[in-house]
Amino acid sequence: GIQVEQSPPDLILQEGANSTLRCNFSDSVNNLQWFHQNPWGQLINLFYIPSGTKQNGRLSATTVATERYSLLYISSSQTTDSGVYFCAVEHVGANNLFFGTGTRLTVIP
Amino acid sequence: GAVVSQHPSWVICKSGTSVKIECRSLDFQATTMFWYRQFPKQSLMLMATSNEGSKATYEQGVEKDKFLINHASLTLSTLTVTSAHPEDSSFYICSASRRDTNPYEQYFGPGTRLTVT
Repeated sequence: GIQVEQSPPDLILQEGANSTLRCNFSDSVNNLQWFHQNPWGQLINLFYIPSGTKQNGRLSATTVATERYSLLYISSSQTTDSGVYFCAVEHVGANNLFFGTGTRLTVIP
Repeated sequence: GAVVSQHPSWVICKSGTSVKIECRSLDFQATTMFWYRQFPKQSLMLMATSNEGSKATYEQGVEKDKFLINHASLTLSTLTVTSAHPEDSSFYICSASRRDTNPYEQYFGPGTRLTVT
């Protein structure tokens, strides 16, 4: 099956700092989504981004499908950005998402 | 739009009993619904995929007789954990993909925390 690795596994930032989270996947994908899981467990859709670049406020994401990676950029981080960030991919020929290992972000004031 | 609800948000039950969890798409019709399980500090693992009116497709290692999935309509799927045991304690999350826009993007419910004593 497809492998999805995220780095770093843990990240501690001072409020206001910027960060880049990475997602590497081992095979071709139809779909890639980034999620933020808040401390209560709710998964929040950040981006649907099988290729290209998107921006939404302080967040942006880039997927280079040919090189099998995606990046999530967080600028001017806030304490409310804390939580776990997951990327998830849909393998070509599959009909479901496979989740990566996650990056646990802690933003300290 | 694209809101998915789950009920209950948490449940405690005794070993040997059954528990039903509901997943509803509130403002759209779901092409497909998915059930995931998440253990503490781990990633989400897909349990099964269900389409309205047809039998669910279970992932390898998931017991279909233990985790009964019913997808009765385009807005409702249920997961019943039968004869629950302490090792079934986990966070169960459903998701849905919508029929009318992008069939690939999934929207997630808030999850149900199950504790079996």
